[in-house]
Amino acid sequence: GEDVEQSLFLSVREGDSSVINCTYTDSSSTYLYWYKQEPGAGLQLLTYIFSNMDMKQDQRLTVLLNKKDKHLSLRIADTQTGDSAIYFCAESHSGGYQKVTFGTGTKLQVIP
Amino acid sequence: AAGVIQSPRHLIKEKRETATLKCYPIPRHDTVYWYQQGPGQDPQFLISFYEKMQSDKGSIPDRFSAQQFSDYHSELNMSSLELGDSALYFCASSTRDTEAFFGQGTRLTVV
Repeated sequence: GEDVEQSLFLSVREGDSSVINCTYTDSSSTYLYWYKQEPGAGLQLLTYIFSNMDMKQDQRLTVLLNKKDKHLSLRIADTQTGDSAIYFCAESHSGGYQKVTFGTGTKLQVIP
Repeated sequence: AAGVIQSPRHLIKEKRETATLKCYPIPRHDTVYWYQQGPGQDPQFLISFYEKMQSDKGSIPDRFSAQQFSDYHSELNMSSLELGDSALYFCASSTRDTEAFFGQGTRLTVV
């Protein structure tokens, strides 16, 4: 079955880098996503990576995928107070017609 | 660019009442997904539709039903509402070649 796990909480100081980790069990996952959710708000897709990639960088965000260990990480460089939110790792089997399975979410707290 | 539109954004209902949530997918998207996110929980998949047919089913209670219409919009009907149905309900849409795009959600409060 599908299972996506994350640590529940991460606290970092403003300006430091944040690394949020995620493990998944479904080896047939094709797309791996990172979503951001601010309090009371919707889901914002931050970035995603195909399972045949090892790394993807987009401005302050770096996604690393270790497919052998089924481990995904999201690094946020120069973390700002506006980055405080819950970050969900998610996976799906293909880009289109398969449901997205979400992880438990990591609450990132940025200390000024 | 057009996004997934959900209505209403907020809804308050009493126990045992019925609620209908609507989702308007991005134009030319043919697949719609519904998710339920309880307080402090991760979004849980309820049901999906492709070309107006149910394509997958998750943890959707029997009291809930959904359909996709000829214009591809979808409605989630929830009957005999319970306090535990209070949650944020997300709709997402996609095509074969795109990832799922999520709407802003409908916050349902059952009192």
